[in-house]
Amino acid sequence: KAGVTQTPRYLIKTRGQQVTLSCSPISGHRSVSWYQQTPGQGLQFLFEYFSETQRNKGNFPGRFSGRQFSNSRSEMNVSTLELGDSALYLCASKISTQISYEQYFGPGTRLTVT
Amino acid sequence: GIQVEQSPPDLILQEGANSTLRCNFSDSVNNLQWFHQNPWGQLINLFYIPSGTKQNGRLSATTVATERYSLLYISSSQTTDSGVYFCAVVSLGDMRFGAGTRLTVKP
Repeated sequence: KAGVTQTPRYLIKTRGQQVTLSCSPISGHRSVSWYQQTPGQGLQFLFEYFSETQRNKGNFPGRFSGRQFSNSRSEMNVSTLELGDSALYLCASKISTQISYEQYFGPGTRLTVT
Repeated sequence: GIQVEQSPPDLILQEGANSTLRCNFSDSVNNLQWFHQNPWGQLINLFYIPSGTKQNGRLSATTVATERYSLLYISSSQTTDSGVYFCAVVSLGDMRFGAGTRLTVKP
């Protein structure tokens, strides 16, 4: 079974630009979550999507948005990039039932804002 | 919001040693997870353990929700166990991560 894939793996953008990151979950997983990791703030939860609906959202400004498509692939968008948005962005797909829980992470997209 | 504290921040072990990592949280939670991030950045979900005890090979975890802490046990550590261990909790829909414990296992 293929794992979670994220594209691109590395990205360099300039302040003020916008960026879109993509995440393809494991086949059959309908839940996708996004996380930001920086040296200063550590790991932070961005949002979770399930069946094309945003289920939870972390404490991030409106410049951060996401969506999920009918095939469960998800994208996140950051508009008007700031230097502080430089980070590793991780995506995870999940399948859970009342008795089990499995979550798998992609390799991440490393975004550098200059 | 809920506070999550992990200890110790750093841990250095010889291969074969056992260790205990701790995660304290400041409020009741309905979800607690342990993750391992290897030196190449790959994050792996180890346990989903809002309460009780679970074991997976050399790793086990215990969460005492009423006392607001969770423990991750690593037995017979191997060099491949090196990396950063994070706990994350969810309380009222708000997910927070601890700062992590950086584990170095020396051969």
